[in-house]
Amino acid sequence: DIQMTQSPSSLSASVGDRVTITCRASQSISSYLNWYQQKPGKAPKLLIYAASSLQSGVPSRFSGSGSGTDFTLTISSLQPEDFATYYCQQSYSTLGTFGPGTKVDIK
Amino acid sequence: EVQLVQSGAEVKKPGESLKISCKGSGYSFTSYWIGWVRQMPGKGLEWMGIIYPGDSDTRYSPSFQGQVTISADKSISTAYLQWSSLKASDTAMYYCARLREYSSSSHYYYGMDVWGQGTTVTVSS
Repeated sequence: DIQMTQSPSSLSASVGDRVTITCRASQSISSYLNWYQQKPGKAPKLLIYAASSLQSGVPSRFSGSGSGTDFTLTISSLQPEDFATYYCQQSYSTLGTFGPGTKVDIK
Repeated sequence: EVQLVQSGAEVKKPGESLKISCKGSGYSFTSYWIGWVRQMPGKGLEWMGIIYPGDSDTRYSPSFQGQVTISADKSISTAYLQWSSLKASDTAMYYCARLREYSSSSHYYYGMDVWGQGTTVTVSS
């Protein structure tokens, strides 16, 4: 099975900050990597698919990069509505493993 | 509007059976895989399995194989997740989600683009 890790597990940031979250796969997954945002009490929301493609309707301050085993999600200028938990997910195999999540909260 | 609507919260006792549902609307239900995702209290997302309602092809995560059954009734655009004997450790929020296929640079990728609102299952004696 493909294992996913994320770092950091949590971070504190201010509005306007540039935020970067890292995701690593236990084996190469090419660009088969998604990013989701989840706010408390809500279902997850797809932000990025295929490592770097922005899902329709998602603000352009979100971007993704990487391939192989190492990936990043970047929020260029953190907005109040971006405080949430972010998960990566590999879609290389049928078993679409999620990473453990990164919680972004207010500094 | 494309949406998935899940059945309501459940409170059950250990050993009881349960079937929760996920009804799709606004799109061709038989043309997209549906996945189920578990989120235990205060924890992350866990992939349970997927079903293709068009032909009921089903795949399970090894962690959930034999523990749950995923099914679908395409005549009513509804997918199901069921347990035959619940345990306290099944207490969680369960989400269904549509798997959408995307084409990029001659490759095909999928992402879970539409999610149900979630069904809370509480198992307690």
